Amino acid sequence: DAKTTQPPSMDCAEGRAANLPCNHSTISGNEYVYWYRQIHSQGPQYIIHGLKNNETNEMASLIITEDRKSSTLILPHATLRDTAVYYCIVRVADDYKLSFGAGTTVTVRA
Amino acid sequence: NAGVMQNPRHLVRRRGQEARLRCSPMKGHSHVYWYRQLPEEGLKFMVYLQKENIIDESGMPKERFSAEFPKEGPSILRIQQVVRGDSAAYFCASSPMGLRSTYEQYFGPGTRLTVT
Repeated sequence: DAKTTQPPSMDCAEGRAANLPCNHSTISGNEYVYWYRQIHSQGPQYIIHGLKNNETNEMASLIITEDRKSSTLILPHATLRDTAVYYCIVRVADDYKLSFGAGTTVTVRA
Repeated sequence: NAGVMQNPRHLVRRRGQEARLRCSPMKGHSHVYWYRQLPEEGLKFMVYLQKENIIDESGMPKERFSAEFPKEGPSILRIQQVVRGDSAAYFCASSPMGLRSTYEQYFGPGTRLTVT
């Protein structure tokens, strides 16, 4: 019963932008799009979230399509330390049960 | 400004023993969540606690698992009579608010339990 679909893996060159896609075609109007990442042997780390507007913070940018059926996480200048599994999650504001699927394994190469 | 702390980081138990996993939330956070990550799988919610209250334990196995978050001290996830299938990484997260908020959950480094 996956709410999101992500590619299993992708490579990125160090210093280049990494664009991570996520499909969430059944998203409801009150569901947010969240991104987390998990670096090997560490706990998940919150990156960014949005409802319908594009968002940017010090870590990344989130672009949500107008119909909200898909989104893209952008890491503007990938570094080797950005190598991790990235999870796209949709949830309503008061849903505390984060559910992590397989995510996208991003490997940043020098 | 310490983050979420978990200990031990690695725990080895023999089948039938008890495992106790501890979690100290971030300063100012009064809501704690436990998740389990089985090998090659994603994180799954187990339980949500506030101080002295279990809010939602719908993700906890029915037997052998229990959790508490006392008024003083860390949250404890307890697994009695461990079996090999309990081998996993157990993550704790905390947030300043719980229901009806978009506050983020901040995760600890996890405890990796190995049952031999």
